[in-house]
Amino acid sequence: KAGVTQTPRYLIKTRGQQVTLSCSPISGHRSVSWYQQTPGQGLQFLFEYFSETQRNKGNFPGRFSGRQFSNSRSEMNVSTLELGDSALYLCASSLTGADYNEQFFGPGTRLTVL
Amino acid sequence: DQQVKQNSPSLSVQEGRISILNCDYTNSMFDYFLWYKKYPAEGPTFLISISSIKDKNEDGRFTVFLNKSAKHLSLHIVPSQPGDSAVYFCAAREDTGFQKLVFGTGTRLLVSP
Repeated sequence: KAGVTQTPRYLIKTRGQQVTLSCSPISGHRSVSWYQQTPGQGLQFLFEYFSETQRNKGNFPGRFSGRQFSNSRSEMNVSTLELGDSALYLCASSLTGADYNEQFFGPGTRLTVL
Repeated sequence: DQQVKQNSPSLSVQEGRISILNCDYTNSMFDYFLWYKKYPAEGPTFLISISSIKDKNEDGRFTVFLNKSAKHLSLHIVPSQPGDSAVYFCAAREDTGFQKLVFGTGTRLLVSP
């Protein structure tokens, strides 16, 4: 069974630009969550999608948005990039998102903002 | 406001000895706790979890202990192996039915031969 895949793996952008990251969950998984990892803050929850609906959102500005498609694939968008957005963005999928379903993480997308 | 804290950024242990990684939390609504292991350039990998109704859970060399009154949990690795060298994250979840994990900042474990 293929794991969670994220594309691209590395990305370099400049301030003010926007970026879209993609996540393909494990086949059959319907819940997709996004996390940001930075050296100072650790892993922080961005949002979770289930059946194309955002169910939960972390404390991030509106520049961070996402969506989920009918095949459970998810995209995350960051507009008007700032230097502080440089981070590893991780996607995690789980079966239903309910109960104590384990989350499986992808390798992440390393975003560098210059 | 860091709801999950791992106060030791790093830990060095000799092969064969016990590794003890600690985690403290402040939110009494957390009812499920997990440990993840992360190698460079990879996503976190689930290791072991514990529900708040238990105080101990074992899986092979890994044991997680939960002390609810102290809001403290620990991960014991016995015996430690060089391949265990990685960053370990403690995470917690509220009983909301949502997949929102609150992570600690991680502890880098180095197991030397």
